[in-house]
Amino acid sequence: EAGVAQSPRYKIIEKRQSVAFWCNPISGHATLYWYQQILGQGPKLLIQFQNNGVVDDSQLPKDRFSAERLKGVDSTLKIQPAKLEDSAVYLCASSLVRGWGTEAFFGQGTRLTVV
Amino acid sequence: AQTVTQSQPEMSVQEAETVTLSCTYDTSESDYYLFWYKQPPSRQMILVIRQEAYKQQNATENRFSVNFQKAAKSFSLKISDSQLGDAAMYFCATLPTNAGGTSYGKLTFGQGTILTVHP
Repeated sequence: EAGVAQSPRYKIIEKRQSVAFWCNPISGHATLYWYQQILGQGPKLLIQFQNNGVVDDSQLPKDRFSAERLKGVDSTLKIQPAKLEDSAVYLCASSLVRGWGTEAFFGQGTRLTVV
Repeated sequence: AQTVTQSQPEMSVQEAETVTLSCTYDTSESDYYLFWYKQPPSRQMILVIRQEAYKQQNATENRFSVNFQKAAKSFSLKISDSQLGDAAMYFCATLPTNAGGTSYGKLTFGQGTILTVHP
């Protein structure tokens, strides 16, 4: 079974530039998560989708971050414009909604450095 | 709202010995899952063990077991016969479910505990 795919693995941008991350979840997983993980800290949920709908985006800085999930499958997370404090690893995860498999399966993440 | 607290920023253990990582949580939900995840330096998060809150029996996966105290809202992870490959950051997490076991709401993580294993 293929895992959660994320790209790119690494990205370096200057502040005020824009950046986009892509995530392809495990086939059949209705729930998709985007987390921000600052070095040495726990993941912070940015947005959670269930199929096409948003379950939670309460911690998404909506003035600069946006996310969409196309046809309930792939997802992109965009930052525009980036700030220095956005430097972090962005993790995508997916899960089923019921039974075994409700645990989140994570991708390898995208390490973003804003200079 | 849910919160997860891991009060031990760092722990260390000698190879082959046993270590216990602590986790407490706060939730108003009556049904939920609890998880322990491991994040090695390569950073991909992987599941170690899960527990359904309605089950009284503590979950076990090989050398990993939990001590789930629902009334105390405590969910500790015990690693027996520690191996060098167990060195990682460990995260406790909670996910609310409805009575039928369908998840909803946020998957919330604690701050993590760095585990060092000494040879």
